[in-house]
Amino acid sequence: DAGVTQSPTHLIKTRGQQVTLRCSPKSGHDTVSWYQQALGQGPQFIFQYYEEEERQRGNFPDRFSGHQFPNYSSELNVNALLLGDSALYLCASSLVAAPGNTIYFGEGSWLTVV
Amino acid sequence: DAKTTQPPSMDCAEGRAANLPCNHSTISGNEYVYWYRQIHSQGPQYIIHGLKNNETNEMASLIITEDRKSSTLILPHATLRDTAVYYCIVRVAQGNTPLVFGKGTRLSVIA
Repeated sequence: DAGVTQSPTHLIKTRGQQVTLRCSPKSGHDTVSWYQQALGQGPQFIFQYYEEEERQRGNFPDRFSGHQFPNYSSELNVNALLLGDSALYLCASSLVAAPGNTIYFGEGSWLTVV
Repeated sequence: DAKTTQPPSMDCAEGRAANLPCNHSTISGNEYVYWYRQIHSQGPQYIIHGLKNNETNEMASLIITEDRKSSTLILPHATLRDTAVYYCIVRVAQGNTPLVFGKGTRLSVIA
């Protein structure tokens, strides 16, 4: 058990709606990243939060936004949902100062857009 | 884009060693080799990582060639529960560098 927890595990939304996914990092970790995994593909990096600020971002539109709270937990928000946003959304955490800076993943949130 | 090349699929008999190869010919001097696996419908699981020396933990062994252009992940006694997609990733091990996933190798362990 990696210790990263995500909620909800599954959800269904309608095109045009907005969704919020939540993540609690592994105990002691200070950095949270989000990845999107479409069916049959490897995970794709969305963005990363450290010290409550977005530090790095992948090639995703600004419909994808996030937040990190003082307790290091994080939210991923997606606005104006498209059918193509249907995917497994993975939260990952790490400790910036740890040797190896190993990244650990949660079990993900399955989003279906209809 | 991913900096690694892996075979798309492999089979292994249960109880035998599974040897998963990975090519990373453009690896930089400060990049480590990381291995993750993803069992169907679950999040990726960290396995092991290394820089240039061989590494072993309770899950697997990692053998990196002397020129660091390729590596092999070894599962010494594969079980049915090891059936998964295995990802080899090169990454700088500092500064919160994100992981860049390729397509990985789908390992099927057969009874």
